[in-house]
Amino acid sequence: KNQVEQSPQSLIILEGKNCTLQCNYTVSPFSNLRWYKQDTGRGPVSLTIMTFSENTKSNGRYTATLDADTKQSSLHITASQLSDSASYICVVNDYKLSFGAGTTVTVRA
Amino acid sequence: GAVVSQHPSWVICKSGTSVKIECRSLDFQATTMFWYRQFPKQSLMLMATSNEGSKATYEQGVEKDKFLINHASLTLSTLTVTSAHPEDSSFYICSARPRGRSYEQYFGPGTRLTVT
Repeated sequence: KNQVEQSPQSLIILEGKNCTLQCNYTVSPFSNLRWYKQDTGRGPVSLTIMTFSENTKSNGRYTATLDADTKQSSLHITASQLSDSASYICVVNDYKLSFGAGTTVTVRA
Repeated sequence: GAVVSQHPSWVICKSGTSVKIECRSLDFQATTMFWYRQFPKQSLMLMATSNEGSKATYEQGVEKDKFLINHASLTLSTLTVTSAHPEDSSFYICSARPRGRSYEQYFGPGTRLTVT
């Protein structure tokens, strides 16, 4: 069983709308939890990084939250843009990276 | 800073030939480099971990004689897919861990390999 589970698998939203992606993990303890954005045919690019003691971290229109008690994290995208269409990957870092399968976000005009 | 490059970005080769992919850390020294494979609509799967100057450690199920990894310097690692077959067609991504920052990894842009 994967130690990092993401939901939904994919979603479609209209430009300008908000959305929230979920990540549940069982890796414990860990050094940090990261959200990556991966455009099709490109390598992952880091959006946010949180240590286990942090609850929230923002990067522009991206806001990540972390609840270490329930082992859940979320990534909120505000006022989505067409360029937000990508796969978003939750990664838990305990020296070795544990990857979620990703959520594919499609933003439509 | 912390830029990782890969070359080539895409390659097409015939079945039975070998292909070499380079991964370079451009502005930092990488004591450890990682090689991942990603199939369509799936997440990254770690293939092997290489430390500069030593043999790579391969994940279970990855053939070390087929996927040759060389980490000859602190800024360069290479992955050679030997006797490639169509099932080796995939997206190969490397990442690099900077010296002295054991919990960091920076990813390259990936290399698309198509074996015909």
